[in-house]
Amino acid sequence: GAVVSQHPSRVICKSGTSVKIECRSLDFQATTMFWYRQFPKQSLMLMATSNEGSKATYEQGVEKDKFLINHASLTLSTLTVTSAHPEDSSFYICSARGASGSDRTQYFGPGTRLLVL
Amino acid sequence: AQSVAQPEDQVNVAEGNPLTVKCTYSVSGNPYLFWYVQYPNRGLQFLLKYITGDNLVKGSYGFEAEFNKSQTSFHLKKPSALVSDSALYFCAVRGTTTGNQFYFGTGTSLTVIP
Repeated sequence: GAVVSQHPSRVICKSGTSVKIECRSLDFQATTMFWYRQFPKQSLMLMATSNEGSKATYEQGVEKDKFLINHASLTLSTLTVTSAHPEDSSFYICSARGASGSDRTQYFGPGTRLLVL
Repeated sequence: AQSVAQPEDQVNVAEGNPLTVKCTYSVSGNPYLFWYVQYPNRGLQFLLKYITGDNLVKGSYGFEAEFNKSQTSFHLKKPSALVSDSALYFCAVRGTTTGNQFYFGTGTSLTVIP
């Protein structure tokens, strides 16, 4: 099946620093990638949707200048948390979807645990 | 508006017994329905989906789900639960008249008791 990787799996950083998370589709071309945030024992909250080669579409309430998303190729999207603060600590999960067709399945990465001290 | 409801936060079942995790949906147009499983500190793993065709969908690890249009439900089932099935289960819907967005339920924590 389709495989999506995320790197790093866990990161600890100091308040005020920036953190970059990579999301890669390993065996398919992802025309669309999604970034989610998940709080403990809660569902996934969609942060933004990115299409390869175009600007990301952010959900209401998500600061685009704080959460920078780049989808430079069909296999890579990055999320950069700029000037991270403790309240940004969370579990960040990306997902990827292939080209259009009958399959609308999103395939998820293993997630990145971010802890901001 | 698109939405998914998982009415049970927690489901407990004895090993070897059948299990059901409930999901109801609300969507404009024909729904695309999905089930995912999440193990601790991991991302979501795809289990199965309903796009069109037979209402009974079979997926990974022996799971199946039945699409019921009249009841707007898509309950996840397995005939005989395993302890290793203990995890968090999410139902999701994507409406064909919307954009790319998935709408997730709040999740159901399944515990299979040995």
